[in-house]
Amino acid sequence: AQKVTQAQTEISVVEKEDVTLDCVYETRDTTYYLFWYKQPPSGELVFLIRRNSFDEQNEISGRYSWNFQKSTSSFNFTITASQVVDSAVYFCALSEAPGGGNKLTFGTGTQLKVEL
Amino acid sequence: AAGVIQSPRHLIKEKRETATLKCYPIPRHDTVYWYQQGPGQDPQFLISFYEKMQSDKGSIPDRFSAQQFSDYHSELNMSSLELGDSALYFCASSLARDLGTDTQYFGPGTRLTVL
Repeated sequence: AQKVTQAQTEISVVEKEDVTLDCVYETRDTTYYLFWYKQPPSGELVFLIRRNSFDEQNEISGRYSWNFQKSTSSFNFTITASQVVDSAVYFCALSEAPGGGNKLTFGTGTQLKVEL
Repeated sequence: AAGVIQSPRHLIKEKRETATLKCYPIPRHDTVYWYQQGPGQDPQFLISFYEKMQSDKGSIPDRFSAQQFSDYHSELNMSSLELGDSALYFCASSLARDLGTDTQYFGPGTRLTVL
């Protein structure tokens, strides 16, 4: 069975601080996909990144970066120089190999509050 | 770019009534997923359809049914509504046959309130 753990329920930072959101996953599959989604107060789920299990390259996109480590089953997300607009709930999610219709298993989410 | 469309955005029903939620996937997407998110919880997978056939099934109550039509839109039918069905219902779509881009993109959600 798949499982995603986000141990940090809530994180509060001051604007311009760097913050890392942790994600640990469990799966028996050798091929799988990892995702991060953002859910701002307005409620929609916004896709941020997808990482394939066979690609351990770290990725940077602007102020966002992701660290995928298969050895520790972790897929952590770092926001550099946080801004108030980053305030949201962030979900890490896992799916089995693609093939049409495979579900996402979400972690419980981390509420990030960025204050002035 | 076109996104997933869900209607209605808000719905208020009484206990034991029925509700129908609609989802229009991103053009060319062949797979639709339904998720339920209770207050303060993570989204829970209900059901998915690939090329109009049911693909995967999660913790969907027997009172709920869904289908994907020939134009790829999907409907989630909910009967004998209970207070506990109050939640945000998300539809997502993906292009599953293109394995390199099988990412689920979510609609804005339908907020269902059962009184």
